[in-house]
Amino acid sequence: GQQVMQIPQYQHVQEGEDFTTYCNSSTTLSNIQWYKQRPGGHPVFLIQLVKSGEVKKQKRLTFQFGEAKKNSSLHITATQTTDVGTYFCAGSGAGSYQLTFGKGTKLSVIP
Amino acid sequence: DTGVSQNPRHKITKRGQNVTFRCDPISEHNRLYWYRQTLGQGPEFLTYFQNEAQLEKSRLLSDRFSAERPKGSFSTLEIQRTEQGDSAMYLCASRPDWGEMDTQYFGPGTRLTVL
Repeated sequence: GQQVMQIPQYQHVQEGEDFTTYCNSSTTLSNIQWYKQRPGGHPVFLIQLVKSGEVKKQKRLTFQFGEAKKNSSLHITATQTTDVGTYFCAGSGAGSYQLTFGKGTKLSVIP
Repeated sequence: DTGVSQNPRHKITKRGQNVTFRCDPISEHNRLYWYRQTLGQGPEFLTYFQNEAQLEKSRLLSDRFSAERPKGSFSTLEIQRTEQGDSAMYLCASRPDWGEMDTQYFGPGTRLTVL
């Protein structure tokens, strides 16, 4: 079955430092989505990438989808304490409604 | 505009008991998903409905789990003969048929503890 792996599992950064999390799928994806889950909260949609090599930006967040559509990354520039939470990537394969989530990267920001 | 709601928010039960959770999706969202999330893990797909039809079910889902969406609106997830390993957060998500993105809107979840 499809597997989605994310690294690192944890990341502690000083406020103002950059942060990157990486996502790799065992199979080619039709699209990849990123979600953020605050402590005690539920996942909240951030972005969806569909095209090979696609790059999207949301303020300080930059999302990339690999050329082979098997990997993705999320980069946060100049982290803030409001960025704290767990970031999940989730992918779906062609013809499937199933979204497979990675284990997430838990980001802690030290003020 | 209300979001996805789930009831109850917390459920404590003894091993062997049956439990049922309810999910009310965002109005007019045809697609509804159930996930299970344990500590330190991402949400794990359980099943998917389009309107009242259950179109996909995880192979990991044992026959103790059953889900319904009888009128294509709210959905219920039942777990029979609960086991301690069923302890988890059960999340429901919904999305409409339209829109550029496949955004799923998650509810707050039902936290199940099996003693």
